[in-house]
Amino acid sequence: GEDVEQSLFLSVREGDSSVINCTYTDSSSTYLYWYKQEPGAGLQLLTYIFSNMDMKQDQRLTVLLNKKDKHLSLRIADTQTGDSAIYFCAERDTGRRALTFGSGTRLQVQP
Amino acid sequence: SAVISQKPSRDICQRGTSLTIQCQVDSQVTMMFWYRQQPGQSLTLIATANQGSEATYESGFVIDKFPISRPNLTFSTLTVSNMSPEDSSIYLCSVDLSGGDYGYTFGSGTRLTVV
Repeated sequence: GEDVEQSLFLSVREGDSSVINCTYTDSSSTYLYWYKQEPGAGLQLLTYIFSNMDMKQDQRLTVLLNKKDKHLSLRIADTQTGDSAIYFCAERDTGRRALTFGSGTRLQVQP
Repeated sequence: SAVISQKPSRDICQRGTSLTIQCQVDSQVTMMFWYRQQPGQSLTLIATANQGSEATYESGFVIDKFPISRPNLTFSTLTVSNMSPEDSSIYLCSVDLSGGDYGYTFGSGTRLTVV
């Protein structure tokens, strides 16, 4: 079945850029997503990218997709303390239409 | 995007009892998804619920333990039956209104603790 992997933890200083990485195995993925989960809160969709795109930028967020290597990254520019959260990448299974989630990366932003 | 109302938001239950979680969507949707997030873990799909048919369960999840109802296009329930402490998790429902174009919307989740 599909597998989505992420590194578990990332620590950055406020004002720096954060890069969260994700790899996936399903070559038929059509959409890939980044979700944010703050403590005790639900899932917030941050951004998504269609599989025929290489890059998508949305304000401080930049998503890069390397389809050949099945590698997805999320770059957060000028990281703020409010960005501290768990970030999940997810891919859409075209068959089931459900999402397969990575393990989540806990981003810690130090003042 | 859809607005999902999920309840209860949290509950503490005795082992051996059952809890039914409700998910109400403000739009008609064909498919609704139920996920489980165990403490400190990622989200795992439990089942996909289509209106008018039996839910489709993922490997490791069975209907007797997690019965699902889908009486119409805006509502679904998930029951966690005969609970044990291992069922302590956050349960979330999700819908996709756009065929993937705009992402999936999630309910706020039900935080279940079984004692």
